[in-house]
Amino acid sequence: SQQGEEDPQALSIQEGENATMNCSYKTSINNLQWYRQNSGRGLVHLILIRSNEREKHSGRLRVTLDTSKKSSSLLITASRAADTASYFCASNAGGTSYGKLTFGQGTILTVHP
Amino acid sequence: SQTIHQWPATLVQPVGSPLSLECTVEGTSNPNLYWYRQAAGRGLQLLFYSVGIGQISSEVPQNLSASRPQDRQFILSSKKLLLSDSGFYLCAWRTPTGGRETQYFGPGTRLLVL
Repeated sequence: SQQGEEDPQALSIQEGENATMNCSYKTSINNLQWYRQNSGRGLVHLILIRSNEREKHSGRLRVTLDTSKKSSSLLITASRAADTASYFCASNAGGTSYGKLTFGQGTILTVHP
Repeated sequence: SQTIHQWPATLVQPVGSPLSLECTVEGTSNPNLYWYRQAAGRGLQLLFYSVGIGQISSEVPQNLSASRPQDRQFILSSKKLLLSDSGFYLCAWRTPTGGRETQYFGPGTRLLVL
């Protein structure tokens, strides 16, 4: 069953604005990952943050993790029309979980030019 | 470099017919392999994973089965499809060593059961 939840479910912004997506999870994690999916395509890994990290950056992406609240956020700065996609968080419990990921329901981001 | 292939890309099948979806990975050895299903507008649900040839773990009881006849080949099957089997099926792989947790996804197969 899906344990993660993301909000908002859909986000519509103008090019140049920042987009923030939130994710909650239910069990202890080893790491949390964010993936992007263009319509009808496979998922592409964006960034991974480990349970002992609080913030991570990659280009225009900034991810935060609050393990006490079991939540994470993804910030995309200076958005572009090409950022239009669905964004998913995925939690990994580590240990003997064999890398299994539990995905959230996703946020559909639309960036208007 | 590593690549992952899935076929077919799209499939329309009648209820009660059999199913075979194939996933192959190139450029890596002994990967962990995963099958996910994605309902329209929803997140991914893990169906099966495999840590080696012939080793299959099922995450949810269902009408589907999986097999791994070769190190880099993962097959999703059904003997008789149900309407509820419709969806977008994604295969993914991961390197099980070196602390690398990223999964790499194939392009997916869209299955419509009528």
